[in-house]
Amino acid sequence: DAGITQSPRHKVTETGTPVTLRCHQTENHRYMYWYRQDPGHGLRLIHYSYGVKDTDKGEVSDGYSVSRSKTEDFLLTLESATSSQTSVYFCAIKTDDYNEQFFGPGTRLTVL
Amino acid sequence: GENVEQHPSTLSVQEGDSAVIKCTYSDSASNYFPWYKQELGKGPQLIIDIRSNVGEKKDQRIAVTLNKTAKHFSLHITETQPEDSAVYFCAASRRNEKLTFGTGTRLTIIP
Repeated sequence: DAGITQSPRHKVTETGTPVTLRCHQTENHRYMYWYRQDPGHGLRLIHYSYGVKDTDKGEVSDGYSVSRSKTEDFLLTLESATSSQTSVYFCAIKTDDYNEQFFGPGTRLTVL
Repeated sequence: GENVEQHPSTLSVQEGDSAVIKCTYSDSASNYFPWYKQELGKGPQLIIDIRSNVGEKKDQRIAVTLNKTAKHFSLHITETQPEDSAVYFCAASRRNEKLTFGTGTRLTIIP
C-alpha cells in the first residue's frame, strides 16, 4: 500500500457541517492526490499537491479545499458538506521517477 | 484534455478462460498507460503499466498491449482464477502529468 493511510475510514455527517479527511504517507513522495469514486464515473481528481504548500485543482474541485503543511500529510476539507459529496475518497501518491500512482485504502463518506 | 473510454463495463468469463478489457484514449501525446485492480472495500492496486516506447508487456498471466496509431490499449488476463474477480480501471497520461481514468470494468470469474 506504499505506506499510505487515510483517516477516518468511515464517516457519517450531516449536510452543512465541515469535514476534514487526512492522508498520511511515510515515504516522502512529492506528489499527492485526492480522488473521489462514484458509480459510473470511475476515479475523478479533486485536488493534488506537488510539494509543501503547493496545490492545484483537479476536475471536480468545487466545494473542496486542501492543505499540505508537511510532506507526509495532505488534508481534504469539505467546508460545508452536501449530499452530492457522499462518495468514497481515495488518496494517492506518485513516485518521482515513473509516474506510478499508488492508492490508499479509502474513506467512505456519507452526508445525510 | 484527455478522455479515456473503457469497455465492457461488466464481463463474466469461465474460470480458466481468458478475459480482455479495452480502452481508448483521445490525446495522442499520452505516453503512460497503467491498469489498476480494485477489490471490494479496497483502494485501486497498480497491476501493470506500459509506456509508449513498447507495444506489449507481460507479467505472468497478465499482459497489456498498446496501439498508438489507433489510440487504444488492452488488458489481457489468461487462465483466469476466482481471485481475478474485481473491478479493473485503465488510465492514461502524458509524462509526469495527471492520470485520466476509465470508468471501470467489473470482471466476474465463474467457477
